[in-house]
Amino acid sequence: DSGVTQTPKHLITATGQRVTLRCSPRSGDLSVYWYQQSLDQGLQFLIQYYNGEERAKGNILERFSAQQFPDLHSELNLSSLELGDSALYFCASTSTGGNYGYTFGSGTRLTVV
Amino acid sequence: DQQVKQNSPSLSVQEGRISILNCDYTNSMFDYFLWYKKYPAEGPTFLISISSIKDKNEDGRFTVFLNKSAKHLSLHIVPSQPGDSAVYFCAASAGSSNFGNEKLTFGTGTRLTIIP
Repeated sequence: DSGVTQTPKHLITATGQRVTLRCSPRSGDLSVYWYQQSLDQGLQFLIQYYNGEERAKGNILERFSAQQFPDLHSELNLSSLELGDSALYFCASTSTGGNYGYTFGSGTRLTVV
Repeated sequence: DQQVKQNSPSLSVQEGRISILNCDYTNSMFDYFLWYKKYPAEGPTFLISISSIKDKNEDGRFTVFLNKSAKHLSLHIVPSQPGDSAVYFCAASAGSSNFGNEKLTFGTGTRLTIIP
């Protein structure tokens, strides 16, 4: 158990639908990052939150949004889903100011049918 | 634009031999590099890192080498063990002084298979 919890582990939904992925960071970590891993692709950075505020944005589609709540958990909302959104979505967290890297959750596998 | 490239999708190595995984990058602003290891159905886990002020970092069986002029790094695993079979991701960051708040750029991964 890495300490980063992602739910659900698997999600199957239809095109056009909306889903919410949830991430609870490791205790004490203020930064949360969301990454997408499509088939045969690397981990693509989507968005970062730090202590409730958006800190950095990557190649995140306008149909996707995220937020980090006062208790530091984060949610990634994916709407108007398309087949190409099928992927593994990872959340990672870090503490502030210097670290050996992220701690990743085990991911949510999203399948859009 | 793939700023971090792992050109070998897969690699097979005999148990006990050396495994060498390679990674190239294009962004000169990258100054901190990491390797992650990923087993199926799990998230990536941190393995080893290196700052751009160094050219080598060792941790047990794992050594990372950095060649800044060539924008190339490699991960050496010796001796290779069956438990090392996994996907290995190279990652890079710009702004290591503020590392806790910097995004990582990942390569596409190399699947390492250790043959018993």
